[in-house]
Amino acid sequence: DGGITQSPKYLFRKEGQNVTLSCEQNLNHDAMYWYRQDPGQGLRLIYYSQIVNDFQKGDIAEGYSVSREKKESFPLTVTSAQKNPTAFYLCASRGGTSYNEQFFGPGTRLTVL
Amino acid sequence: AQSVTQPDIHITVSEGASLELRCNYSYGATPYLFWYVQSPGQGLQLLLKYFSGDTLVQGIKGFEAEFKRSQSSFNLRKPSVHWSDAAEYFCALRSDKEGNDYKLSFGAGTTVTVRA
Repeated sequence: DGGITQSPKYLFRKEGQNVTLSCEQNLNHDAMYWYRQDPGQGLRLIYYSQIVNDFQKGDIAEGYSVSREKKESFPLTVTSAQKNPTAFYLCASRGGTSYNEQFFGPGTRLTVL
Repeated sequence: AQSVTQPDIHITVSEGASLELRCNYSYGATPYLFWYVQSPGQGLQLLLKYFSGDTLVQGIKGFEAEFKRSQSSFNLRKPSVHWSDAAEYFCALRSDKEGNDYKLSFGAGTTVTVRA
């Protein structure tokens, strides 16, 4: 089955630690995205990538970093510089033309202890 | 700048009753609009999308949405709600191209509760 997987589903981190969230897709999509979701705020774009080895900052990139070494993988690192990292993180991908929709993974809930 | 507003934070509806979720957008050109649904703790699933053409769009799970340019709206409807429709619903607008991609702007979401 084609789709997007995110791991782990739940992640706990101590303050001051970096943590990496995994996102893998087997849809052969070129574009991938990371969003942060907080209650009552919808989804906010953190980073996005159109092709391998290239990515752009979204609206709330501070305190986050990404890499795109493979087409199917787009990991997100939440660094200790992120002031309020506790949130639900969603990865998405989009293929084909720009008219196509984004497909979303199941999400990772990060909690900072 | 483009934006999406979902005026209703929370809606409660009885099972079998009709449902309408409101979405208003601000955008200068023809918008590309989406409705997504999210079950608790899950990712988002596309219900339907509008790019052009017929202003009444049919989606999955019995949902439909109507695009009204004069009202800058893209409201989602379902004639008869099932308990499984309890979820959070997001309206999204595809933005102008920024850099090398079109981003999505999301509304804050509407939570739907279905009572027996």
